[in-house]
Amino acid sequence: AQSVTQLGSHVSVSEGALVLLRCNYSSSVPPYLFWYVQYPNQGLQLLLKYTSAATLVKGINGFEAEFKKSETSFHLTKPSAHMSDAAEYFCAVKGRDDKIIFGKGTRLHILP
Amino acid sequence: DAGVIQSPRHEVTEMGQEVTLRCKPISGHDYLFWYRQTMMRGLELLIYFNNNVPIDDSGMPEDRFSAKMPNASFSTLKIQPSEPRDSAVYFCASSVWRGYYEQYFGPGTRLTVT
Repeated sequence: AQSVTQLGSHVSVSEGALVLLRCNYSSSVPPYLFWYVQYPNQGLQLLLKYTSAATLVKGINGFEAEFKKSETSFHLTKPSAHMSDAAEYFCAVKGRDDKIIFGKGTRLHILP
Repeated sequence: DAGVIQSPRHEVTEMGQEVTLRCKPISGHDYLFWYRQTMMRGLELLIYFNNNVPIDDSGMPEDRFSAKMPNASFSTLKIQPSEPRDSAVYFCASSVWRGYYEQYFGPGTRLTVT
């Protein structure tokens, strides 16, 4: 069955530092993978998606993610953190029944 | 487009009362999903509709929960009777199919049952 595991429920980085949020997936078929962002008191918003095209996927707000089949990973990165990046981030995978399966989420804290 | 609209944004009710949550999806989207988010269980899919027809309600926790979509522009999620363990944030997501469900989430309804 498809699933995702997010490593670290909380991550803190300094403003201007590299952001790295980790996600590993499990899938018996070529996966469709997603990152969503949830700002306080808002719904989830699609940040980027991998649909078996280019392995390096660029999203909104300067985020990108790289699909690595050998490592079964889809980590989210941003070169320089901004205070406005503080939010909760969810990795997700398309399940066999096409439903989106979400990870537990990683809360990103930005230190001034 | 105004995006997905949910009402009310906050609801506080007493145990045993009926609660109705409302959702207006994005025009032209033919899928609608209801999710529940809690700290303990994360984001759970409750039910989803295609062209106003319920497709999968296997995530509905029990018979106290029911959902309807009488037309393409309106859906409700009802809890009767409500219990304190139903306290959560409930999201509606409007979607189109692009080889995957491209979902647009509403702002959510925060439900507190005392």
